[in-house]
Parts: sequence; structure tokens; C-alpha cells
Amino acid sequence: AQSVTQLGSHVSVSEGALVLLRCNYSSSVPPYLFWYVQYPNQGLQLLLKYTSAATLVKGINGFEAEFKKSETSFHLTKPSAHMSDAAEYFCAVGYNNAGNMLTFGGGTRLMVKP
Amino acid sequence: DGGITQSPKYLFRKEGQNVTLSCEQNLNHDAMYWYRQDPGQGLRLIYYSQIVNDFQKGDIAEGYSVSREKKESFPLTVTSAQKNPTAFYLCASSIGLALSYNEQFFGPGTRLTVL
Repeated sequence: AQSVTQLGSHVSVSEGALVLLRCNYSSSVPPYLFWYVQYPNQGLQLLLKYTSAATLVKGINGFEAEFKKSETSFHLTKPSAHMSDAAEYFCAVGYNNAGNMLTFGGGTRLMVKP
Repeated sequence: DGGITQSPKYLFRKEGQNVTLSCEQNLNHDAMYWYRQDPGQGLRLIYYSQIVNDFQKGDIAEGYSVSREKKESFPLTVTSAQKNPTAFYLCASSIGLALSYNEQFFGPGTRLTVL
């Protein structure tokens, strides 16, 4: 079965610093990969998705992620953190042979210090 | 505005009671999903439906039931058989089930607390 690992349940950065949230997946077949953001007591909002086109994917709010097949990774980055980026971030993976079922990672809570 | 609505936002239940969480979408999506979210565990799939009058169990279906009588509605009932129902429940929908790159859209969630 597929799995998703997000390293670091909590990440703290200073405002203006680089944001790096890690996501690794286990798979022997090409995956579809997603990053979602969740603000407190709200639903999830899609940040970006990888669907086998360009390996560097740009999303909303200045976030981007790079698919690295050799490392089975899909890390999320943003060059300069803003206070409004403080939220929980979820990586998810899907496969064509599993319909539209997504497997979610445990989430990473991003804290941004002034 | 198109989207997914969930009600109520907060729900309190006494032990032994069944409660029903509402999920409605006006996106004309065929597929709908229910997830449970617990701290540090990400989202876990309870039930999903790819078409009216059809639904399938997800990873943690025990103690839950659903119905899909209308395309736009997918209510979730948390029964007294669910041993630890206190959690945040999220409903989602997507265009269809067949292709995994179809984005899932999420509702704002219902926080259920058992007293």
C-alpha cells in the first residue's frame, strides 16, 4: 500500500526566511502528488499538484514543489515566509490504479516568527 | 458561488446517541468523500461515493454509515458503535473517481465532541 511521510510535524521559520516542508512517498508506480493547506478550523485548500507534466510545480501564494523520482520526494518550498503562511500543510498521493483515493501524510504545522 | 457546505460547524453528542453530519455540494461533482481528522494523523477516509445510490467503505468505516440519495448530498451518520467519535470531520468532492489527478475540494468541516 502507498504511504506518505512528512518529516517534521512542526516547522518554525522567521518571517522572510525560506520555507521547506518535506514529503516522501513510497511507490513503485508513478504517483499524482498534492499539497494542501489548512487554516485553523477550516477545510483543506489545494496549493499545487503534480500530474506527470513538469517536475517543478508552481502553486498559489508563492509556493512551489519539485517532484524528484529518484528520491521519491515532493518537497514544498517558498522563498520568503509571510506571517499569513502559518497553517498546517498536508502532502497527499494518488494513483490511477486506486481511483481517486488519496493517501495523506500526517501534516506539518508551519509557524512563522516575526 | 460554487462550493461545499457542511453543517453544523460544531456538534456535541452524548454517549450512545447517533448523530448525522450534513454535506452538500453545488459543484455538480459525481464523487464525494468523508474523512476523519485527528491531531497528528492526517486525514483518514471513512466512506466515498462515486455516483448516486452507490458508496464504498474507506479505511475506517466501522461505526459510521452514509447515504447518497441525491448527487449534491452525502450525509454521514456517526453511530453509537463508533467508540471514539470525537474528531474533526471533513467532506470533499471531485469531478469523478476514475482519474487520480482530479482535485478534491473540501468543505469547512464539522467538529464533533462526545460529552
